[in-house]
Amino acid sequence: GAGVSQSPSNKVTEKGKDVELRCDPISGHTALYWYRQRLGQGLEFLIYFQGNSAPDKSGLPSDRFSAERTGESVSTLTIQRTQQEDSAVYLCASSSRLTSGGIYNEQFFGPGTRLTVL
Amino acid sequence: DAKTTQPTSMDCAEGRAANLPCNHSTISGNEYVYWYRQIHSQGPQYIIHGLKNNETNEMASLIITEDRKSSTLILPHATLRDTAVYYCIAFWGGATNKLIFGTGTLLAVQP
Repeated sequence: GAGVSQSPSNKVTEKGKDVELRCDPISGHTALYWYRQRLGQGLEFLIYFQGNSAPDKSGLPSDRFSAERTGESVSTLTIQRTQQEDSAVYLCASSSRLTSGGIYNEQFFGPGTRLTVL
Repeated sequence: DAKTTQPTSMDCAEGRAANLPCNHSTISGNEYVYWYRQIHSQGPQYIIHGLKNNETNEMASLIITEDRKSSTLILPHATLRDTAVYYCIAFWGGATNKLIFGTGTLLAVQP
């Protein structure tokens, strides 16, 4: 079946504009994650969804960042009043329902959206 | 989650085994060791994970020391397509399973 898809693949915006990034997870995957990767850096966790709820938003860097998920499917990450430091690749991942005891279902990543703020 | 330490970069000849080390000296008893890799301009890809026993799958083998303070990912016959950044992550998942990535090891497979 299809993997995780993200759109757009590239986004160039001007400082101060709002942007929306979209993630389509693998069908049936209940867990969805957003990560950010700055140039030459590792991934930073942003937010986690289980179904349509976000029990962990601890990685969102400021109140300019928000995300929602609907229908236990598509998720949108919104960045308001973009700043140059927001420039990065934004990656989405999904996984099936967590099992107990820390046993883990692998996360499947999309190709990312490269955001450039001028 | 335990912090991991990896070399910044490594080279490997095509067709040879690539052995990528990872130190996780503060790992706790319920934390697993996971390996992901990220090929240029792609999202990370899961490779393998383990708790204390050695693990093998179609991609790689994972060797974890008896004291669990370090591990080695082995790609038995590296190809040019294995050139990527390899991330070692030690965690137990908790309530969210969020992954905490370091900067990883850039493995360059040479022809």
